[in-house]
Amino acid sequence: AQSVTQLDSQVPVFEEAPVELRCNYSSSVSVYLFWYVQYPNQGLQLLLKYLSGSTLVKGINGFEAEFNKSQTSFHLRKPSVHISDTAEYFCAVLTQGGSEKLVFGKGTKLTVNP
Amino acid sequence: DSGVTQTPKHLITATGQRVTLRCSPRSGDLSVYWYQQSLDQGLQFLIQYYNGEERAKGNILERFSAQQFPDLHSELNLSSLELGDSALYFCASSVVGRRGETQYFGPGTRLLVL
Repeated sequence: AQSVTQLDSQVPVFEEAPVELRCNYSSSVSVYLFWYVQYPNQGLQLLLKYLSGSTLVKGINGFEAEFNKSQTSFHLRKPSVHISDTAEYFCAVLTQGGSEKLVFGKGTKLTVNP
Repeated sequence: DSGVTQTPKHLITATGQRVTLRCSPRSGDLSVYWYQQSLDQGLQFLIQYYNGEERAKGNILERFSAQQFPDLHSELNLSSLELGDSALYFCASSVVGRRGETQYFGPGTRLLVL
């Protein structure tokens, strides 16, 4: 069975600083990878996803992530964060050839301070 | 706005009761997924329907059931409620439920069992 580990439960940063939110996964088969964002009192919104091809994936709101198969990682990055990026971020995997269910990490709460 | 709607937004009920959560997928989406988000378990997949038929099952309790109607809306029924069922319940939809296809999430129903 696959699992997802988000190494940091909380990440505080200052506005305009760069940020990296870490995600590692475990799976015996190939996976698709996703990052979702949850703003306070809202549902989940897809930031970006990796299905195949280029390992560097660009998403909405200036975020990008890099798939590293050897390290089984899919870290999310943004070079300069805004106050409005304050939210909870979830990494998720979906196995190729398996069911369509997403397996989520526990989430990382990003707080951007002025 | 993802286009997925869920009602009600909030629900407060007592232990032992039964509730029904409703989800309307995005226009044209045939596949509906239900997820539970709780503090201790995080985000967990419950069940998926595709065009009225159950397609995949996750960590769904026997006290819980779901169905998808001919107009493609879905209902999640929770019975014999326990305190531990208090959580945020999300519905997501995708066009045909193919692996890797983006799942669009609704705003959720927050259930509080007292």
